[in-house]
Amino acid sequence: GQQVMQIPQYQHVQEGEDFTTYCNSSTTLSNIQWYKQRPGGHPVFLIQLVKSGEVKKQKRLTFQFGEAKKNSSLHITATQTTDVGTYFCAYSWGGADGLTFGKGTHLIIQP
Amino acid sequence: ETGVTQTPRHLVMGMTNKKSLKCEQHLGHNAMYWYKQSAKKPLELMFVYSLEERVENNSVPSRFSPECPNSSHLFLHLHTLQPEDSALYLCASSQDRTSTGAHRTYGYTFGSGTRLTVV
Repeated sequence: GQQVMQIPQYQHVQEGEDFTTYCNSSTTLSNIQWYKQRPGGHPVFLIQLVKSGEVKKQKRLTFQFGEAKKNSSLHITATQTTDVGTYFCAYSWGGADGLTFGKGTHLIIQP
Repeated sequence: ETGVTQTPRHLVMGMTNKKSLKCEQHLGHNAMYWYKQSAKKPLELMFVYSLEERVENNSVPSRFSPECPNSSHLFLHLHTLQPEDSALYLCASSQDRTSTGAHRTYGYTFGSGTRLTVV
């Protein structure tokens, strides 16, 4: 069946270190989105990737979509305490079927 | 405020009660969604409404009943819930079509959620 895995589940980093979370699919995705949820908050849309090999940047965040459109990553350079939260990838299989979310990666930053 | 407003923010209900969750969006979106978020199963899609018509059920128990009277409002009616239904219920909205009517996926805007506790 269609499977998308998000890893790691938890990531502890020292403030200033880099952080990466990955989503890996067994089948080709039409698009992938990334969301951030702060503790006690709700998911907030960050970006959508559609094209094969696409790379997009938002300040210290870099988003990539693999050439085969089966993998995606979110990389944060030089983490800050404001980056704390859970990062989710989300995807749809086309049409009006709604987004399916990955299990998320919890980013914990130690000052 | 996100443009998607959910009420109430917190709800405690007994297993025999009937209650409703309300969601309102002010973004002009044509699709709305209900998600359940619990510690054991983060962000489960429950219902999808596009142009006010339900297009996805995802095998949700019948004790959850959605209603979408227009493109700006979405309700989740609850009755005879179980303690395992305690969770954060999130509403979201998005555009899901281009200007020509073709399906396209856009980013979702979530409300702040209703924290539901079933006792």
